[in-house]
Amino acid sequence: QVHLVQSGAQVLKPGASVTVSCKTSGYSFNQYFVHWLRQAPGQGLEWMAIINPSGDSTTYAQKSQGRVSLTSDTSTTTVYMELSSLNNDDTAVYFCARGNHNYGIDVWGQGSTVIVSS
Amino acid sequence: EIVLTQSPVSVPVISGEPASISCRSNQSLLHTSGHNYLEWYVQKPGQSPQLLIYLASIRASGVPDRFSGSGSGTDFTLKISRVEADDVGLYYCMQSLETVRTLGQGTKVEIK
Repeated sequence: QVHLVQSGAQVLKPGASVTVSCKTSGYSFNQYFVHWLRQAPGQGLEWMAIINPSGDSTTYAQKSQGRVSLTSDTSTTTVYMELSSLNNDDTAVYFCARGNHNYGIDVWGQGSTVIVSS
Repeated sequence: EIVLTQSPVSVPVISGEPASISCRSNQSLLHTSGHNYLEWYVQKPGQSPQLLIYLASIRASGVPDRFSGSGSGTDFTLKISRVEADDVGLYYCMQSLETVRTLGQGTKVEIK
C-alpha cells in the first residue's frame, strides 16, 4: 500500500527556516514525482514545487523561487522541503503528494502544519 | 502562467440532485498527444485533497461513476449526477500541461 507520511506540526519565528519531511513507502520511489502544495488558513490550495527523485531535478513556482528547496534521499525514500526566511504568510498546512504526468496526483500525505509567529 | 478560473464559488445543492462546476483556462490545455491535461480534486473537510479526474475525463481509481469530467481546450466541467452528503467539500481544477502546476480558486459544494 502506498503511503506518504509527513513530519509533525512546527511553530517558528519570522525569519527562520523550516524543513518538512515526506517519507514514502509502497512504491518504486524513482518512478514518480513528488509535489508540494500548501493551504493557508481559509485559502485555496497553492502549488509550490516538484521534484523528480530520479536525478533530483526540481521545478519551483515563481512565488516560491529562491526560498524553497526540495531534496530527496533514495536510501530512505524521503523527500524534504525547506522553506527559508519565513513570514506570517507562510503559516499553512503543507502537503506532499505523489504524481505522474499522465495520471494525476494520486496519493497525498496527511499534511504538516507550519505556524509562523513571533 | 496558465490561469484557471472556476465557477461558481459555491454550489448549494439538494441531496440527490446534480451539481456542475466549470473550469476555464486562459490557454488551451490540449497537448499534441490529443490529451487535455486537466485534473479535478476534492478536499473534504479535515482531509487531504484526493484525485477525482485526470486527463479531463478519466475517473481515478475508486471514484464513483456519479462523477464525470468533460471538456477540451479551455473549457472544462465536473458534474456530479446525484450529490450525496459525503460529496461536501472544496473542488479544485488543476492543469498539468506545464511542469509548474496551477489550480483554480476552488468551488465549495454544500448540501442545502
